[in-house]
Parts: sequence; C-alpha cells; structure tokens
Amino acid sequence: EIVMTQSPATLSVSPGEGATLSCRASQGVSSNLAWYQQKPGQAPRLLIFGASTRATGIPARFSGSGSGTEFTLTISSLQSEDFVIYYCQHYNDWPLTFGGGTKVEVK
Amino acid sequence: QGQLVQSGAEVKKPGASVRVSCKASGYTFTGYYMHWVRQAPGQGLEWMGRINPNNGDTNYAQKFQGRVTMTRDTSIRTAYMELSRLRSDDTAVYYCARAVPGSNHFDNWGQGALVTVSS
Repeated sequence: EIVMTQSPATLSVSPGEGATLSCRASQGVSSNLAWYQQKPGQAPRLLIFGASTRATGIPARFSGSGSGTEFTLTISSLQSEDFVIYYCQHYNDWPLTFGGGTKVEVK
Repeated sequence: QGQLVQSGAEVKKPGASVRVSCKASGYTFTGYYMHWVRQAPGQGLEWMGRINPNNGDTNYAQKFQGRVTMTRDTSIRTAYMELSRLRSDDTAVYYCARAVPGSNHFDNWGQGALVTVSS
C-alpha cells in the first residue's frame, strides 16, 4: 500500500497571503495525484488531478505541481473560503489512498 | 455534470449490517465507475472499493474484503454499499464518489451518509 503523507498538518496563514501544501508518496505514483478541498460538513471537492490540472470551475489561484513522490498544492492568495482542509490522493495503484490532510487556518 | 444523492443517516448495533444507497442523475450511470469512501469523525478519507455499474464488477480494499458488498441497480441508476458485522469503529460518514472515466480520481461526490454503530 502506498502511504501518502501530507505536511504540515496545520498551516497558519493570513488572508491574502499564499500557502504551500506538501504531499509525499511512499513510492512513485507518476502524475496520478489529485487534490481535494473539504469544507466542514461537506463532501470533498476535486481541485486538481493529474498532479497539475485544475478541475472544472476551480479558480486559478489554485495550482498543483510535482511528480513521482513529491507534490505541492499552492494557493496564491488565500480567500476566506479557502481556510478549510485539503487532501491529496494517489490513483496509481490499488488500493487508492489519501493523505491525512492539511488544515489551513487563519493566522 | 450529474448529481449523487445518498440515503439518510443510520444507527446500527454492533454485529448488524447497513446498506447505503447512492442515486445518480444527470449523467449516464453505466459510464462511470462508482467508488465508496468513508470518513470517521474528525479523521481523514479511506477508500473502500468500487463497482463498475455497467457489468457489476467490483474491487474492494483488502481491509474490507469479506465484509463489504457493492451492488447496483441500473434500472433506477442506484449504487449500494453494504457493510456487515459492524463494529464501533465503523462509525463514519460514507460517501459515494464518481470516478472520471479512465482514471480513479473523483469529480462528483454524494452528500454522505452518517452511519453510527452503537449498542
């Protein structure tokens, strides 16, 4: 099983500032990596797939990069609605696994 | 784009079984694999398995093998996930999630169904 490790667990950022979230895979997953955003009480929402492709309707302030074992989600200028939890997921092999999440909070 | 609407919250006793449904609309049901993902209270996301609505083929996470059964009824565009021999640590929100064709990332999620296991 591929273990996905996200860091940091919590990221404190001021509104308007940028944020960088990391996701590491225990073995290579090529570019088969997705990022999701989850707001309290809601289902996750797809942000990024293929490591760097924004999903339909996702604002340009969200961007993804990386391949292999190291991945990054960058939010260029945090809006109030962005202070929630983010998960990465690989889909390179079975079983599919998710990272433990990064909570982005207001500094 | 499509919509997935799940059944409501359930309370079950340890050892019982639960079945959660996921009704699809607005897209071709048989054209997209349906996955199930769960989330324990305050915890992360855990993949349980998937079903091909076109032919009923399934793949289950090893952790749930023998306890989970995924089925579908194409006539009513509904997928089901049944989990048996419930334990307290099965308490979670269970989501159905539609996979993008040719991939296994999820572009559409149900609203979730809370299953509480308590004596």
